[in-house]
Amino acid sequence: KNQVEQSPQSLIILEGKNCTLQCNYTVSPFSNLRWYKQDTGRGPVSLTIMTFSKNTKSNGRYTATLDADTKQSSLHITASQLSDSASYICVVSRMNNAGNMLTFGGGTRLMVKP
Amino acid sequence: IAGITQAPTSQILAAGRRMTLRCTQDMRHNAMYWYRQDLGLGLRLIHYSNTAGTTGKGEVPDGYSVSRANTDDFPLTLASAVPSQTSVYFCASSDLNRGNEQFFGPGTRLTVL
Repeated sequence: KNQVEQSPQSLIILEGKNCTLQCNYTVSPFSNLRWYKQDTGRGPVSLTIMTFSKNTKSNGRYTATLDADTKQSSLHITASQLSDSASYICVVSRMNNAGNMLTFGGGTRLMVKP
Repeated sequence: IAGITQAPTSQILAAGRRMTLRCTQDMRHNAMYWYRQDLGLGLRLIHYSNTAGTTGKGEVPDGYSVSRANTDDFPLTLASAVPSQTSVYFCASSDLNRGNEQFFGPGTRLTVL
């Protein structure tokens, strides 16, 4: 079964601290993996896309890694800010006859406190 | 309009009533999607359309219908709403010729009593 599991479900950190969010998946055949940020009351917005077997990509204070061998990805946030408070959703894409199909994780809800 | 919009923002609906959620995008994306998001669950695909004039069923299509008469609009209809359809509904669009990044609307919060 195609699944995406994220951990932790929720996380509270102090402003300025770092944190790492995890994503494990069983989606096959793998096409790519995206991390989305969803602010409260808003739709998700893509942060980064991971496509290669062992891949690291940065977007400002966000760094995502992918290990397609172990089917794991992580999102590391450096020097957190209050505006980082949001849900972070891992989305894995696979190809089938209907095209590009997405499987969404349940998200990690991050709260950054002053 | 810039991007993708949804209407209404929120709605309270009596069970058994018919409801249409509207979605419009101005990015000329060929593909559009409807998802529902429930607490503790990931976004689940209801219906999708890869191009105007075609639609397909997603993971949870029962009780919902869609149409894609043109590129810009993708309405979602609940023919006879039930309380289990209480959720936040997100519309999204993507350009299938430029990868699979989906751009999401702001969502519609629907409560069925």
